[in-house]
Amino acid sequence: DAKTTQPPSMDCAEGRAANLPCNHSTISGNEYVYWYRQIHSQGPQYIIHGLKNNETNEMASLIITEDRKSSTLILPHATLRDTAVYYCIVRVNAGKSTFGDGTTLTVKP
Amino acid sequence: SAVISQKPSRDICQRGTSLTIQCQVDSQVTMMFWYRQQPGQSLTLIATANQGSEATYESGFVIDKFPISRPNLTFSTLTVSNMSPEDSSIYLCSVGTWTGGETEAFFGQGTRLTVV
Repeated sequence: DAKTTQPPSMDCAEGRAANLPCNHSTISGNEYVYWYRQIHSQGPQYIIHGLKNNETNEMASLIITEDRKSSTLILPHATLRDTAVYYCIVRVNAGKSTFGDGTTLTVKP
Repeated sequence: SAVISQKPSRDICQRGTSLTIQCQVDSQVTMMFWYRQQPGQSLTLIATANQGSEATYESGFVIDKFPISRPNLTFSTLTVSNMSPEDSSIYLCSVGTWTGGETEAFFGQGTRLTVV
């Protein structure tokens, strides 16, 4: 699985959009980009995933660059409950995930 | 989505003993995995639980220390054997499901193990 690079921490004001970047310059053509978050040592929660196209669901949007070497997770209106560690993972369709250190997002009032 | 139940949710164990963690899924799933999360760290894959055959272990993890069973497509167990304080971690079960030709991975809430 490709290695990902994320900033260790980010802050965001409550109600504002949180934009979390991820670099995956060695991603292969058959690897998907997945995002999870982990709140206070609970099990990781699936957020969104994509292959080439931008994706949106009720939780977030995923923007993948045309060369697929980086992506951005967007939480459109961050709340205090979005404070968590966010993990960007790239993997093939095998379910096995390699976790990096993630980004600790702190949403502030 | 898949609903995953892990038991126990937490335990405190004496060194030298063993603990078996159960993972039950509400539907049949193709893939099941076990992860470890040491205090303050990210998740590390221990092994892939294969139905009806021996688990596939990642580098640094061995069957004698972490025996795994998977008797069917909805259930798996992970045993942490001959525990030491260094085994104090959160152990997480994960499953992979096929949806529209793609896989999604879901995680249980984990088992918080403290070895004293």
